[in-house]
Amino acid sequence: NAGVTQTPKFQVLKTGQSMTLQCAQDMNHNSMYWYRQDPGMGLRLIYYSASEGTTDKGEVPNGYNVSRLNKREFSLRLESAAPSQTSVYFCASSEAGWGPNYGYTFGSGTRLTVV
Amino acid sequence: EDKVVQSPLSLVVHEGDTVTLNCSYEVTNFRSLLWYKQEKKAPTFLFMLTSSGIEKKSGRLSSILDKKELSSILNITATQTGDSAIYLCALLGGSNYKLTFGKGTLLTVNP
Repeated sequence: NAGVTQTPKFQVLKTGQSMTLQCAQDMNHNSMYWYRQDPGMGLRLIYYSASEGTTDKGEVPNGYNVSRLNKREFSLRLESAAPSQTSVYFCASSEAGWGPNYGYTFGSGTRLTVV
Repeated sequence: EDKVVQSPLSLVVHEGDTVTLNCSYEVTNFRSLLWYKQEKKAPTFLFMLTSSGIEKKSGRLSSILDKKELSSILNITATQTGDSAIYLCALLGGSNYKLTFGKGTLLTVNP
């Protein structure tokens, strides 16, 4: 029962380098999300995908792109990393719609440092 | 735009104390308010509150929603060092099923 799997767990990048954070879920959830967490800032939504084939910007999308590759996978790409993107990144998934069982399942996070 | 404000941002208490964490919100179309606990890694779910005045309890933790005051509180009684964590309040509102998080309250429980 893997839930939401994020890779890598840690990454150090140089300014200007690119990389892709991978996220996969095995719960047949329709919706997937990417958040970043900075000290004292809570979790801020970068992008989300309400269903396969759709993606939308969240609160802090600048400098990022996403791909909903299929129902299971939702990747986050940094084309040209900047020190301001140093953060902990969380992927999450949820069932579509809202009801008593609504809730996110989070991945374990990726700690990214841009130097 | 939905907004969630938590207070205090940080709190230091001694084991055995009771704490109350606050969450206030602004939303155009309220669906639910959720509380999460975050230790070293990913947030873990505590409560989902949808109706006003109905207390949810889990052991020493309890939470209640006040829709008139647009707020919620999370109470922890007889705190233990294991309660040390960031407590996040999150709002589910609008037509998209995504959560808006507050900045969190960092709770430190000293022995």
